[in-house]
Amino acid sequence: ETVLTQSPATLSLSPGDTATLFCRASQSVDIYLGWYQQKPGQAPRLLIYDASNRAAGVPARFSGSGSGTDFTLTISSLEPEDFAVYYCQQRKNWPPLTFGGGTKVEIK
Amino acid sequence: EVQLVESGGGLVQPGGSLRLSCAASGFIVSNQHMSWVRQAPGRGLEWVSLIYVDGRTFYADSVKGRFTISIDNSKNTLYLQMSSLRVEDTALYFCVRDSRLTATENWFDPWGQGTLVTVSS
Repeated sequence: ETVLTQSPATLSLSPGDTATLFCRASQSVDIYLGWYQQKPGQAPRLLIYDASNRAAGVPARFSGSGSGTDFTLTISSLEPEDFAVYYCQQRKNWPPLTFGGGTKVEIK
Repeated sequence: EVQLVESGGGLVQPGGSLRLSCAASGFIVSNQHMSWVRQAPGRGLEWVSLIYVDGRTFYADSVKGRFTISIDNSKNTLYLQMSSLRVEDTALYFCVRDSRLTATENWFDPWGQGTLVTVSS
């Protein structure tokens, strides 16, 4: 099973700051890494797929990078609606499909 | 508009059974890979099961032999039949379309709002 480790667990930032979230895979997943955003009481939403492609309707301030085992989600100039929990997910080595434990981006 | 609406959750005793439904609109369920993902209260996301368009099914080890994923074409609905339920199956269960976004890979998009399953005596 490919384990995804996200860091940090919590990120305390202010609107306008840049958020940098990390996801490390226990084995290579090539570029098959996605990022999801989940707001309280809502279903997750796909943000990034294949490591760096923004999903439809996702603002340009969200960007993803990385390949192999190390990936980054960057949110430039945080907006109030960006404070949420973010999960990474891999599609290279499955079953099982696996998610990271999540990073909570909270208002400082 | 693509929409997924889950139903069928509720309170069930350990060892009991429950069938979750996911009514799809805006697309044909049998033409897409479909999946179930769950989230225990206050916890992260856990993939449960996936069904391919050709009927092949896949399960997480934690539910294999107890859960069955299926599709009713006439109702355009995805199901998850759950049996021998355990306390640790308590979670919000999301129905998800496994969408082909590139030539080589699928991703979970969109998601339903979820249906809550509580396993407790």
